[in-house]
Amino acid sequence: EAQVTQNPRYLITVTGKKLTVTCSQNMNHEYMSWYRQDPGLGLRQIYYSMNVEVTDKGDVPEGYKVSRKEKRNFPLILESPSPNQTSLYFCASSFQGRQGVYEQFFGPGTRLTVL
Amino acid sequence: KNEVEQSPQNLTAQEGEFITINCSYSVGISALHWLQQHPGGGIVSLFMLSSGKKKHGRLIATINIQEKHSSLHITASHPRDSAVYICAVTRTGNQFYFGTGTSLTVIP
Repeated sequence: EAQVTQNPRYLITVTGKKLTVTCSQNMNHEYMSWYRQDPGLGLRQIYYSMNVEVTDKGDVPEGYKVSRKEKRNFPLILESPSPNQTSLYFCASSFQGRQGVYEQFFGPGTRLTVL
Repeated sequence: KNEVEQSPQNLTAQEGEFITINCSYSVGISALHWLQQHPGGGIVSLFMLSSGKKKHGRLIATINIQEKHSSLHITASHPRDSAVYICAVTRTGNQFYFGTGTSLTVIP
């Protein structure tokens, strides 16, 4: 089954404790991306990757790191989480074409609370 | 000011009604996407458009590049269409910008 998986689905942590949210896709997609969703602000892009070892900042990259060592995986790293990073996080993947990114497949979301 | 504006923010319709959700953007784009977010939180991509019109079942999406405007239409609406509909645009470099969504409730 074609899918994007994220782990963990729920996480409560404390300020400053490093964490990683994993994202994996089984569709051989070139493009992968991380988003956060906050009430009143909607979805905002954190980082994206157009292929292995190619990553770019989105709209709100501060406080986050990513890596793309393998095509299928795109982990999101919070080196020192702070309460303002409490949010719902989505990973997504897609093929790319001449017109850009095609329809994205989204993971189920990770609800992160930083105390 | 957000680069992507959607209207209305909230919409309630009776089952069977024809529904239109609008999206306007202020920047040059390479493509426009419509997404659906279910009440449980999952997000599904409905359409990607760079010109013209696309249809999938009861859903129709149109885009007017000159006017920087797109519409999502739902024909013969059904309670299962109740969801948040999100417009997003990509610019060169494949960075996404999102509207804040339109919350649709279809009443039986």
